[in-house]
Amino acid sequence: DQQVKQNSPSLSVQEGRISILNCDYTNSMFDYFLWYKKYPAEGPTFLISISSIKDKNEDGRFTVFLNKSAKHLSLHIVPSQPGDSAVYFCAATREGNLIFGKGTKLSVKP
Amino acid sequence: NAGVTQTPKFQVLKTGQSMTLQCAQDMNHNSMYWYRQDPGMGLRLIYYSASEGTTDKGEVPNGYNVSRLNKREFSLRLESAAPSQTSVYFCASRTVFYSNQPQHFGDGTRLSIL
Repeated sequence: DQQVKQNSPSLSVQEGRISILNCDYTNSMFDYFLWYKKYPAEGPTFLISISSIKDKNEDGRFTVFLNKSAKHLSLHIVPSQPGDSAVYFCAATREGNLIFGKGTKLSVKP
Repeated sequence: NAGVTQTPKFQVLKTGQSMTLQCAQDMNHNSMYWYRQDPGMGLRLIYYSASEGTTDKGEVPNGYNVSRLNKREFSLRLESAAPSQTSVYFCASRTVFYSNQPQHFGDGTRLSIL
């Protein structure tokens, strides 16, 4: 049973606009959530995280929002740039281990 | 800064052959991990080592063994490769196991089993 779900396999956005990537989870015991970015032929790289006791965390163009009651988090990228084109993985931690979603492929068109 | 280094980057094996994937980190991290990624799937944990001298099974350990050789190195062994083990394998490390610090990943080993 998938505990971390990214229901959109792909997303296409125009350069300069907002990208919103969504993630749902089922386990209310998760204590931390992370977003990773992955380019082809490279390993995932950490992007931004949020504690389960917060509802927002911002880092430059990237903001993560957490809605605990809905068990939902989202990553906002504003403004989107062509270099943001990659696969984005949502992940959650519990007892030290990371559980990943299947990823969303973001394409930012010039 | 090398970070997490995986060798080899690519490998083709025949069914039944054995192989060891190597991973080394230079960040003085205590915990290390092996994941596999299959098309359309997220990363799934195979084995992890919370600290030097310990190893534990993850979500998909069958067909694999691991060795935490020292604090820097964590290897993954396929004793008798099967086509179902064709995948991209990622090694990762983190400062300590029970931590909210992010894991750092290597660039992966692409393994094909014929």
